[in-house]
Amino acid sequence: SAVISQKPSRDICQRGTSLTIQCQVDSQVTMMFWYRQQPGQSLTLIATANQGSEATYESGFVIDKFPISRPNLTFSTLTVSNMSPEDSSIYLCSVVPLLDNYGYTFGSGTRLTVV
Amino acid sequence: AQSVTQLDSQVPVFEEAPVELRCNYSSSVSVYLFWYVQYPNQGLQLLLKYLSGSTLVESINGFEAEFNKSQTSFHLRKPSVHISDTAEYFCAVRTQGAQKLVFGQGTRLTINP
Repeated sequence: SAVISQKPSRDICQRGTSLTIQCQVDSQVTMMFWYRQQPGQSLTLIATANQGSEATYESGFVIDKFPISRPNLTFSTLTVSNMSPEDSSIYLCSVVPLLDNYGYTFGSGTRLTVV
Repeated sequence: AQSVTQLDSQVPVFEEAPVELRCNYSSSVSVYLFWYVQYPNQGLQLLLKYLSGSTLVESINGFEAEFNKSQTSFHLRKPSVHISDTAEYFCAVRTQGAQKLVFGQGTRLTINP
């Protein structure tokens, strides 16, 4: 299965600033997703990262707040912009490997605290 | 649109007792079903999945789940739990023709000695 390196693993940020989270996979994948897991909650899909084009955002999430890039088949970034304490969450990258269309794999997550 | 409901937010059980974590889904098309486990301060790990074929699927650590189309359920069971099974368990669904996973609210399984 794919191995995901997600960085940073955690960060404490000041409100009003931005943080970029990186997701690097050791093999080619077809799909890349970004999820948010608020404290004590389940996972909510933010967007699907599309290679070479704009990400597809879920209802309630917008590009200005969560810009996403995916320059190639193995790398994506999520930026959390103009942060407020409500953005304190775990952000997870998820991928679907090229050779396993149902093998959804998750990174270890980025634990973000906004103060 | 599809949805997933995990009926129990918390399930406390004693060690070596059986456990069932319930999951129901709603979808107008065929589905693929997954159970993930999240140990404290860790990421999600796939426990088992149903894609097609036999409706009973098993994991390597003793969990099993049965797909019941008529009841739109995919309950997770283990006949005898261990302290190390303490974790959050998430049920997820992918509908035919879609790519994304939709997750249930999660069930926190606590094993008491």
